[in-house]
Amino acid sequence: EDKVVQSPLSLVVHEGDTVTLNCSYEVTNFRSLLWYKQEKKAPTFLFMLTSSGIEKKSGRLSSILDKKELFSILNITATQTGDSAIYLCAPSNDYKLSFGAGTTVTVRA
Amino acid sequence: GAVVSQHPSRVICKSGTSVKIECRSLDFQATTMFWYRQFPKQSLMLMATSNEGSKATYEQGVEKDKFLINHASLTLSTLTVTSAHPEDSSFYICSARDLQRLRTDTQYFGPGTRLTVL
Repeated sequence: EDKVVQSPLSLVVHEGDTVTLNCSYEVTNFRSLLWYKQEKKAPTFLFMLTSSGIEKKSGRLSSILDKKELFSILNITATQTGDSAIYLCAPSNDYKLSFGAGTTVTVRA
Repeated sequence: GAVVSQHPSRVICKSGTSVKIECRSLDFQATTMFWYRQFPKQSLMLMATSNEGSKATYEQGVEKDKFLINHASLTLSTLTVTSAHPEDSSFYICSARDLQRLRTDTQYFGPGTRLTVL
């Protein structure tokens, strides 16, 4: 059975802080790992990672994948209140995504 | 680009009735759409995979006669919750993969439908 574990489950930070979110996985026929941000409704796509050790960046967000150790991290620097959301990690096997429970990030002004 | 819509966004119905939820890819074609269910403070649980022109593939434990899925075109999939009961109350989200981007596993999500069964 596929397993996806995200940590921490939740955290509260102040604006300007840096956060690091962790995702470990055990998925058969692994192909890629995706990160999503979920605010009130639908998850919005952040990153798709397929190769180990290559950091992907988008503004203040960055992410990296380690396929040997089976984990990924998502970093958010200089956090803003708009970063408050649930961040979901989803490894893919073939065509299906398996979602972790998510990390709830709350950024206080 | 890659916009997915769902309708309705919220529905309240009586126990025993059936509810249909539509999922549309607005600016791309999707051979594959997915239906998820999300309980409060829990993650997304895949219910079924919907392929255009063929029968849906259901995940273990999901009753296919209860949750009817139809994927009639490359831009539309529907989920019908038949004979709904209060325990079916949940947040239902669909997603779609872009036909033009077959090498990517990225799924684009709709805004979800909140179903409340009284």
